[in-house]
Amino acid sequence: GAGVSQSPRYKVAKRGQDVALRCDPISGHVSLFWYQQALGQGPEFLTYFQNEAQLDKSGLPSDRFFAERPEGSVSTLKIQRTQQEDSAVYLCASSLAGGLDEQFFGPGTRLTVL
Amino acid sequence: DQQVKQNSPSLSVQEGRISILNCDYTNSMFDYFLWYKKYPAEGPTFLISISSIKDKNEDGRFTVFLNKSAKHLSLHIVPSQPGDSAVYFCAVDLQGAQKLVFGQGTRLTINP
Repeated sequence: GAGVSQSPRYKVAKRGQDVALRCDPISGHVSLFWYQQALGQGPEFLTYFQNEAQLDKSGLPSDRFFAERPEGSVSTLKIQRTQQEDSAVYLCASSLAGGLDEQFFGPGTRLTVL
Repeated sequence: DQQVKQNSPSLSVQEGRISILNCDYTNSMFDYFLWYKKYPAEGPTFLISISSIKDKNEDGRFTVFLNKSAKHLSLHIVPSQPGDSAVYFCAVDLQGAQKLVFGQGTRLTINP
């Protein structure tokens, strides 16, 4: 497809489980972003990649959150030992080159931690 | 503390009339402002933007106004159409910092 895709679209995890969320950016897009959107709130920045380099991870809420983009394309956001407060929609976005280039968002993964 | 605030969680407007969505920000260093539109179960899509060197940007039915002294921006949609019903987020970027800061969103409903 032409857009950003994310999988799974929905994930239910028991508290304490590890989860992995996948993002396929638009082909050729250099920059990739992860955001967390809690219910009733706007998206909040988590981390940013330029190619395979993670240039900013200032928004990751704890060391249980880890993101990677080893080949500069697909990215995975991993959450270890999930907690109820991790329940949110996780959005991935990509842009052609960063800077002020438009960020194109995927549909998100809705994570529910029981 | 919220750096970007959308104080109206919801707004209802008659079809054909003007919709005005508002956004306030706290940091005078923000220099690029955007509006995104979001339908249920979809990611946000870019609508319109404005740089801090301008006070108005227009694109078809959509106009964004920026008042730097008041740290306020607004989105005007005229005429409003049923397909405009969605959640609208304002977002700001700080000197190309590569991370957008979003407001909480305003749910716009256009009534036929």
